[in-house]
Formats: sequence, C-alpha cells, structure tokens
Amino acid sequence: DTGVSQNPRHKITKRGQNVTFRCDPISEHNRLYWYRQTLGQGPEFLTYFQNEAQLEKSRLLSDRFSAERPKGSFSTLEIQRTEQGDSAMYLCASSPRGGSNQPQHFGDGTRLSIL
Amino acid sequence: DQQVKQNSPSLSVQEGRISILNCDYTNSMFDYFLWYKKYPAEGPTFLISISSIKDKNEDGRFTVFLNKSAKHLSLHIVPSQPGDSAVYFCAAPPYSGAGSYQLTFGKGTKLSVIP
Repeated sequence: DTGVSQNPRHKITKRGQNVTFRCDPISEHNRLYWYRQTLGQGPEFLTYFQNEAQLEKSRLLSDRFSAERPKGSFSTLEIQRTEQGDSAMYLCASSPRGGSNQPQHFGDGTRLSIL
Repeated sequence: DQQVKQNSPSLSVQEGRISILNCDYTNSMFDYFLWYKKYPAEGPTFLISISSIKDKNEDGRFTVFLNKSAKHLSLHIVPSQPGDSAVYFCAAPPYSGAGSYQLTFGKGTKLSVIP
C-alpha cells in the first residue's frame, strides 16, 4: 500500500497563471476526491469521482476549476487564471467500493501560493 | 452554516494524562463519524470512526463516544503521548442513503501533549 500520492508538493505561481495538480490514488480504490484546506479551517469538499465519472461537484468549484480522471486511475485538478483567493492546500483522497462509511485516505497535498 | 463544529481551537495536556477532544454536529441525518489526525505538512490520517448505532468505539488508546440526543461526540486519548501532538479533525459523510460521499469537516483542534 503506497498511499495516495500528490504532485507537486508545492506550487508558487503568479496571479493569472494556470496550474495543474496530479493525484495518484491507492491502486485498488475506485473513488477519488479533491478537497481544499485554508488556514484555520478543515478540508472543504470540491469534487468526487467514481472510476472516471465525476459524480459530485461543490459550489466551491468555480468555472475556473476543472478536474479529470480520464482512465479511472490518476486525476488532475486544473485552476485557470489563478486568483489570490486560490492560495490553499489542495488535498486528494481515495476510498474503496462500499458505502459512505468507507474512510477516505488522504495524500499529503499540494500547497498553492499565488503571488 | 457549519454542520460540524469543534469549538476548542487548541488543547494542552500533560503526557500520560487523558486528552478529550469534542465535536458537535447540527445535522441529525448524520449517521457516521470519523476522526482524523493531521501532522504539519502531511495530509489527514484516518484515526477512528463510529456508527450512529453505537455509542462507543475503542481502538487501543483511542475511544470515541457518541451522544446522539446531544448531537455530540468526543475522542478520548489515554494515556496521551508526545507523538499525539497534532491537529484532530472530526468529520461526517452524508447519511448512508444520500448517495453522496463528501465529508464535512470541523475546523480542528490542535492538541499539544507536554512531556
């Protein structure tokens, strides 16, 4: 069990640039989630995939955000035209088949800093 | 509208004593709860969970208690160890029939165990 892997660990970019993050879930997990965490807050749900299908999206996921999981394995989260408010830790999690009581296992996140 | 609340931002406990972390929720439809532990620069790690059909779940030094009538749960760590120093998050998925898997997190409590 290699755990959930996220790359890069840190990303610094200028406002207005596009950024893309990658998440590799635990191999046997078919569910994948993206969350965002800002200072002093708990993680906030962004979106969820079951295999390659994106089944839930939060209202936090504005039009500038897009997530994909093309082959049901790794996922990417892209933010276009970044803004100062996008500075946060972006967390990916995965879980196996089963009900909503299957614990989600998190990666170490990508910290995004917008200059 | 914060559905999961952790009202104590921080807690300090002497090594060997009991740590009690509290969590309140407002959504009576929640039927499953999880606790996660987070070290700096790492993602949250699943610690322990409890179903609403139980009022207690124990795993080694960690015990979670659920009081459904008060919409309150607590995590007890006995005995506390310096390695337990971390931020602890309470979280809940939607009720099991909702067909949703997004976790709602509290803001976290930072536990410091003093040697």
